[in-house]
Amino acid sequence: EPEVTQTPSHQVTQMGQEVILRCVPISNHLYFYWYRQILGQKVEFLVSFYNNEISEKSEIFDDQFSVERPDGSNFTLKIRSTKLEDSAMYFCASSEGGGGTIEQFFGPGTRLTVL
Amino acid sequence: AQSVTQLDSQVPVFEEAPVELRCNYSSSVSVYLFWYVQYPNQGLQLLLKYLSGSTLVESINGFEAEFNKSQTSFHVRKPSVHISDTAEYFCAVSKNSGGSNYKLTFGKGTLLTVNP
Repeated sequence: EPEVTQTPSHQVTQMGQEVILRCVPISNHLYFYWYRQILGQKVEFLVSFYNNEISEKSEIFDDQFSVERPDGSNFTLKIRSTKLEDSAMYFCASSEGGGGTIEQFFGPGTRLTVL
Repeated sequence: AQSVTQLDSQVPVFEEAPVELRCNYSSSVSVYLFWYVQYPNQGLQLLLKYLSGSTLVESINGFEAEFNKSQTSFHVRKPSVHISDTAEYFCAVSKNSGGSNYKLTFGKGTLLTVNP
């Protein structure tokens, strides 16, 4: 069964460093998303991506964040200068389309720890 | 904008007892509704979805949820829970008005703990 994969599973970084979180969505999917979950809190939307451009971003997704689909298979989230408050579980998700194919499939997540 | 309220942060039950996890939503547009489950140290898995048609939807592992438009609710129930149902359950909504973005708005989650 196709699945969304994410690497690494756990990333530890120093404050101020850049990190890149990687995702491989399901191959025929067209819509891509990043969410995050701070420990003990709800899952929050960060950004959606369709047709090679951002379709919506949340207030959390400031200039320190960027997304890219560099090669038609990977979908990356970059944080340019990490802050302590960026520590969270980051989930990638993808869906085939809208309407009846709207279901989002989530990856297992990357736990980011900023020290 | 959409919002989701899950009224219970924790629900402890005994094995084989029935359970209901509550979800209410607010939206100015029509929505799709979802329940996701997160087992310990795992990602999110889709449990149930309401897109259109029958307001009662069922999962393969015995859960069912009913969309109630007048009460803006999407509660999920199971008549007899197992220890393996212990997990965090998240209710979520997305707009169904088309376009290029179907972002999910999640509730805070309900931790279901099934005790022997």
